[in-house]
Amino acid sequence: AQKVTQAQTEISVVEKEDVTLDCVYETRDTTYYLFWYKQPPSGELVFLIRRNSFDEQNEISGRYSWNFQKSTSSFNFTITASQVVDSAVYFCALSEPMEYGNKLVFGAGTILRVKS
Amino acid sequence: GAVVSQHPSWVICKSGTSVKIECRSLDFQATTMFWYRQFPKQSLMLMATSNEGSKATYEQGVEKDKFLINHASLTLSTLTVTSAHPEDSSFYICSARDERGGYEQYFGPGTRLTVT
Repeated sequence: AQKVTQAQTEISVVEKEDVTLDCVYETRDTTYYLFWYKQPPSGELVFLIRRNSFDEQNEISGRYSWNFQKSTSSFNFTITASQVVDSAVYFCALSEPMEYGNKLVFGAGTILRVKS
Repeated sequence: GAVVSQHPSWVICKSGTSVKIECRSLDFQATTMFWYRQFPKQSLMLMATSNEGSKATYEQGVEKDKFLINHASLTLSTLTVTSAHPEDSSFYICSARDERGGYEQYFGPGTRLTVT
């Protein structure tokens, strides 16, 4: 069975601090996808990134960066120089391969509070 | 990017009544849509996979007679909560799978259901 663990329930930082959100996953599949989503108070999920299991390159997008390490089954997300607008719930998710229906399994989420 | 809408965005209904929620893919066709439920301060849990032209596939523990899913066209899936009770109050989110490219799932903005 697939499982996603986000051990950090809530993180509070002061604006401009860097913050890393942890994500550890479990799967028996060799092909899978990993995602990060942001859910602001409005509730709408905002897609941040998708990474397939064969691509271990780290990715940077502006203040966001992701570190994918298959050896430790982790897909961590770092926000550099955090801003108040980054305050939200962040979900890490794992997708089954297409032939199994492509279903998403979400972690419990990490609440990020950025204070000014 | 692909757009998915949900209607209504929020609804209040009385216990015992039924409520229908619509999920539409606005600029692409989706043979597969997914319905998730999110209780306050919790993660998203997949309820069912909606398949155009065939029966939905429900996750374990989800009552198919209570949560009726109809996917009558390639752009519309509906979720009907029948005989709603206060414990059905939740945030319902749909996603639609875009099969033109990498089978990405695009999420709707969600529907907040309150049963009084």
